[in-house]
Amino acid sequence: DAMVIQNPRYQVTQFGKPVTLSCSQTLNHNVMYWYQQKSSQAPKLLFHYYDKDFNNEADTPDNFQSRRPNTSFCFLDIRSPGLGDAAMYLCATGRRRLAGETQYFGPGTRLLVL
Amino acid sequence: SQQGEEDPQALSIQEGENATMNCSYKTSINNLQWYRQNSGRGLVHLILIRSNEREKHSGRLRVTLDTSKKSSSLLITASRAADTASYFCATDAMGSNYQLIWGAGTKLIIKP
Repeated sequence: DAMVIQNPRYQVTQFGKPVTLSCSQTLNHNVMYWYQQKSSQAPKLLFHYYDKDFNNEADTPDNFQSRRPNTSFCFLDIRSPGLGDAAMYLCATGRRRLAGETQYFGPGTRLLVL
Repeated sequence: SQQGEEDPQALSIQEGENATMNCSYKTSINNLQWYRQNSGRGLVHLILIRSNEREKHSGRLRVTLDTSKKSSSLLITASRAADTASYFCATDAMGSNYQLIWGAGTKLIIKP
């Protein structure tokens, strides 16, 4: 089945130690999104790729970076995680970059910062 | 950032009853989507309703949209334990052709 896969499902890192979360998709969608979701809150868009074009949201901290080496894979790098970065990180894809398009989400990676 | 509002924040009902969740938003929209999120999982798209539509059905789901009141409701009929989840509405955002504005979500618990 076509799907969005996130690894790992749970990630524990130390304060200040760089961490990378990964996302892959078999949907062949042009758009890949990264969201941060804290407990009992709505998802917050960090950035997205439209094909190879990277789009950062204005309020996304510089600590967060992303890479998309090919259509299928996208990575979220947190250069120096702080305690406030503990959250669920959701990857989503979309066929077109339109707000009216369905977004397909992966199961998420829960990040714990010690 | 601008955000839709959902009510109630939490809803607990008996299995078999109907569940209604509401979403209000602040600006004109082109479309509104509803997503479900099971505990600790990603979101799953349920239904999209466009601004020129008033009601849409999908299985046990019924969504209404009242653009004059800037509100939408999601009705789940004959609820099942598997419907236990958080439900989010999301609208398109003014000035952006791609960004979604998410509601805070309604946590629905179906008691067996």
